Amino acid sequence: DIQMTQSPASLSASLGETVTIECLASEDIYSNLAWYQQKPGKSPQLLIYDASSLQDGVPSRFSGSESGTQYSLEINSLQSEDAATYFCQQHHDYPYTFGAGTKLELK
Amino acid sequence: EVKLLESGGGLVQPGGSLRLSCAASGFTFTDFYMSWIRQPPGKAPEWLGVIRNKANGYTTEYNPSVKGRFTISRDNTQNILYLQMNTLRAEDTAIYYCARWDWEPRGFAYWGQGTLVTVSS
Repeated sequence: DIQMTQSPASLSASLGETVTIECLASEDIYSNLAWYQQKPGKSPQLLIYDASSLQDGVPSRFSGSESGTQYSLEINSLQSEDAATYFCQQHHDYPYTFGAGTKLELK
Repeated sequence: EVKLLESGGGLVQPGGSLRLSCAASGFTFTDFYMSWIRQPPGKAPEWLGVIRNKANGYTTEYNPSVKGRFTISRDNTQNILYLQMNTLRAEDTAIYYCARWDWEPRGFAYWGQGTLVTVSS
């Protein structure tokens, strides 16, 4: 199975700040990566697909990038509604696998 | 509007069986791959498997963690996705989601609200 090592597990940031969440794939996944946002009691919501493409309706302060097997989600100008848990997911090979998640708290 | 509605969760004893359903509406069901994904409380989602679309013969793939115990099927006349779970264990306790795999955008763009399965004596 492809392992997705996500970091940090949690972070706390202030409104207006910029944060970065990372996922390291255990092998090359050729940009086959998605990012999801999940709020308490809700289903995950697709934010980014193909590593860097923004899903329709997602604010432009969210962006994705990659460098080798390292994938990053950046959130600029943090808003209160960005408090959530974020997961990466590879879909290069079965079984699809998720990162362990990053819980983002707003100060 | 795309809708996915799971049902069938509940409390089951270890070693027991349960069948979950996911009623789909708002799209042509046979055109899409459908997956089951579970999430233990406070943990990351775990992909369980996929059943492909009509064009790909409704074939299936499973996570090795559940292969042989769980079976995914679909009723394409009633637009229902199923997950048959056998020989359940305490570690199968989770919220179970059905999700539609989209190729554009590539990802799980639609999820149900989930149904809770608790395995306990």
